[in-house]
Parts: sequence; C-alpha cells; structure tokens
Amino acid sequence: EVVLTQSPGTLSLSPGERATLSCRASQSVDSDYFAWYQQKPGQAPRLLIYGTSSRATGVPDRFSGSGSGTDFTLTISRLEAEDFAVYYCQQYGSSPETFGQGTKLEIK
Amino acid sequence: QVQLVQSGSELKKPGASVKVSCKASGYTFTRFSINWVRQVPGQGLEWMGWINTNTGNPTFAPGFTGRFVFSLDTSVNTAYLQINSLKAEDTANYYCAKGGVRGVMGYWGQGTLVTVSS
Repeated sequence: EVVLTQSPGTLSLSPGERATLSCRASQSVDSDYFAWYQQKPGQAPRLLIYGTSSRATGVPDRFSGSGSGTDFTLTISRLEAEDFAVYYCQQYGSSPETFGQGTKLEIK
Repeated sequence: QVQLVQSGSELKKPGASVKVSCKASGYTFTRFSINWVRQVPGQGLEWMGWINTNTGNPTFAPGFTGRFVFSLDTSVNTAYLQINSLKAEDTANYYCAKGGVRGVMGYWGQGTLVTVSS
C-alpha cells in the first residue's frame, strides 16, 4: 500500500499570500494517477487537480500542481478567503487507492 | 450536469445493517465506476473500494472486506453500500464518488452520516 504523508499538518497564512502544500509517497507514484482535493466543513471533497497538474473543471488558475516520483506539491499562488479549507492528496494508480492525512489551511 | 444524490442520515444499533444509496444523473451510469469513501467525523478520507457499473464487479480495500457490500440497480442509475453487523466504529460519513479520467473521483455525493449507537 502506498502511504502518503502530507506536510505541514496545519498551515497558517493570510489572504494574498502563497501557499505550498506537500505530499510525499512511500513509493513511486505514476504522475498520471495523482490528485488533490479540497474539503470545507460540512461539505464533500472537491477535486482540484488530477494527473498531478491538470486542473479540474471550474478550478481557478491560482491552483497548480507539480511533482513526480515520490514528491508532489499543490501551490495556491494568492490565497483568497474561500481557499481556507483542508486539502488531501491521493494516488489512484495502485490498489488500494490512498489519501494523505490532510493539510489544514487556516487564516493567520 | 452530473449529480450524485445520496440517501439521508441513518441511526442504527450495533449488530444491525444499513444500506446507503447513491443515485446518479447527468451521464451514462454504466460507463463510469462508483467509488465509496469513508470519513470518520473529524478525521481523513479512506477509500473503501469501487464497483464496476458495467459488470457489477466490486473491489474492496483492505479493512473493508466481509461486512461491506457494493451493489447496483442500473435500471434506476443507483449504487448501494450495505454494511452488515454494524459496530460503533462504523460511525462515519460515507461518500460515493464517480470515477472519471483514469479513475479519478471527479464528482461526489453529498455524503450520508451513519451513526451506530445503542
């Protein structure tokens, strides 16, 4: 099973700042099968990025994904108030599919 | 537009069974898989497995074998999750999600809270 470890656990930033969220895999992941999700309180997760760097429909271009092998990154270029949420990485290339434990992005 | 609408919250006693439904619309149901994801309140996401909506063949993640059943009724574009012999630790939100490009979960249901308590 591929274990995904996200860092930091909590990230405190202000609107307008840049956010960098990391996800490290216990073994190499096919970059075609790596995603990021956003979840707000009381809501279902929302797909942001798939295939490491492709934005899902309707996702603003301030969100970008990068990485390969065992290290992946989600970058939010200029934080807006609506971006404060929990973010999960996921690999869906090998079974069982696995999620990271989440990074909480909170307002500083 | 693609929508997945799940059944409402359930309160069950230990040892009982529960069946959660996930009704899909806005796309051809049998062309895309349905995944199930568990989230214990305040915790992260766990992939439970998926069902091939064309063949009905289910795949379960480790830890979700035995008491968990995935099924379909393609006549009404609905997938089901049944959990038997409920335990307190099954208390969680259960989400269905449509498989998409290479299987990524692009659309999610709103979630169904299952509470197991005596």
